[in-house]
Amino acid sequence: QSVLTQPPSASGTPGQRVTISCSGSSSNIGHNFVHWYQHVPGSAPKVLIYGNNQRPSGVPDRFSGSKSGTSASLAISGLRSEDEADYYCASWDDSLTGRVFGGGTKLTVL
Amino acid sequence: DVQLVESGGGLVQPGRSLRLSCVGSGFSFDKYAMHWVRQGPGRGLEWVSSISWGSGSSAYADSVRGRFTISRDNARNSLYLQMSNLTPEDTALYFCAKDVGYFYDNGGYFADWGQGTLVTVSS
Repeated sequence: QSVLTQPPSASGTPGQRVTISCSGSSSNIGHNFVHWYQHVPGSAPKVLIYGNNQRPSGVPDRFSGSKSGTSASLAISGLRSEDEADYYCASWDDSLTGRVFGGGTKLTVL
Repeated sequence: DVQLVESGGGLVQPGRSLRLSCVGSGFSFDKYAMHWVRQGPGRGLEWVSSISWGSGSSAYADSVRGRFTISRDNARNSLYLQMSNLTPEDTALYFCAKDVGYFYDNGGYFADWGQGTLVTVSS
C-alpha cells in the first residue's frame, strides 16, 4: 500500500488531454513539494515535473503539474504514442522522514 | 552528461548479504545527496535509502531499516548499499539516483537515474 494514492491506469487517444491524480496527506503533499516521474519499463525513470509545477529543460510543455491542498495532478496535453509509460508522483513525508511514491499509473495511448 | 552505473546485483539466497555499487560521472559527485530506489516485479517504485553529500546523515525506508546500510566514497565517486538478511521481498531492480542538492530532505528530487541492477533473492 503506497503512501500516495494514484489511479492504477489511465488512457487516451492521440491528441487528447489526460490527467493523473495523486492524493496524499498533510504530512506529505500538504506541506511538501510534489514531483512526477515517467518510467518506460526497461529504461531509467525520468523526472517530468519537480517542485509541484516546474519542468526540467527538455521536457515538453505538454506536461504540466499542479497541487492543491493534499492532492496533486499531472496533465498531459496533445497525447502522443511515446507518452505510453508508467507515471509516478513523489513527495517527502515529514512523519516517515523519507521520500514516498505513489503506486504508479499506467498510461495507455489507444 | 550525468551518468550513473549500478553493479553488484545477482542471485542470492534468503538470509544472505549483497553489496550494490553505483559509480557517478559527469558531475561533482561530492556536491549531491544520493539515493537508492527499487522496483519489485510487478510493483511500483519504492524509495529505499538516501545519504547526504558528506555522509553526515542518512535515511531508510521502514522495510529495510536495520538490514540495509547506505554509504558513499566521494574520492571514488561511488555510492554503496550493503544489504543483509535478504528476503524474497527484496527481489527488485535497484536504481541509483542523484539529487539536486547537498541534502535529501524536502525540496529535493531524483534528478538523474541509472539503469538499475537486478537483485533476486531465492533459494
